[in-house]
Amino acid sequence: LAKTTQPISMDSYEGQEVNITCSHNNIATNDYITWYQQFPSQGPRFIIQGYKTKVTNEVASLFIPADRKSSTLSLPRVSLSDTAVYYCLVGDKNDYKLSFGAGTTVTVRA
Amino acid sequence: DSGVTQTPKHLITATGQRVTLRCSPRSGDLSVYWYQQSLDQGLQFLIQYYNGEERAKGNILERFSAQQFPDLHSELNLSSLELGDSALYFCASSPLGQHHGYTFGSGTRLTVV
Repeated sequence: LAKTTQPISMDSYEGQEVNITCSHNNIATNDYITWYQQFPSQGPRFIIQGYKTKVTNEVASLFIPADRKSSTLSLPRVSLSDTAVYYCLVGDKNDYKLSFGAGTTVTVRA
Repeated sequence: DSGVTQTPKHLITATGQRVTLRCSPRSGDLSVYWYQQSLDQGLQFLIQYYNGEERAKGNILERFSAQQFPDLHSELNLSSLELGDSALYFCASSPLGQHHGYTFGSGTRLTVV
């Protein structure tokens, strides 16, 4: 699995856009980039996945530059309920050992 | 409700004991994954089963074992428990073992005293 590096924590305020960048310099050709969200004492929840360029769903957007060595998860207009840990994972779709790093703790304040 | 059911939600037991954690995957999912999350270790992959067979192993101790039954539910057995085994244990399931399809349960919080 490609190693990922993301900030330990980020603070934001309600209504702002939060952008979390994940570095994955050793990403392989077959690797996809996936983001999960985890609230305290709950299991992680899949947010979004992409391979290249931009992916958007009802929750977030994922921006992936052409070299794919990094990616940015964008959370538009966050609310207090978006306070959580966000994990960036990189791996082949058929890679069974889904490994989570420390993640980024996002704290949204009123 | 994610569709993945884990029981029990909480478990308190003494050192040296053995416990069994149970997971029922989301309907239609053939793969089951077990994870351990402790405060100092983050979320660690333990083991994966696919349609009854072990598919991948992670940082699982020899004191721990798992199996997946014909009805696809899975059990994680933890024996000779130590204080350091106190953690949240999550089960996840997915169809066909694909990365993006992981759905996690709400976990079992194990406390070893």
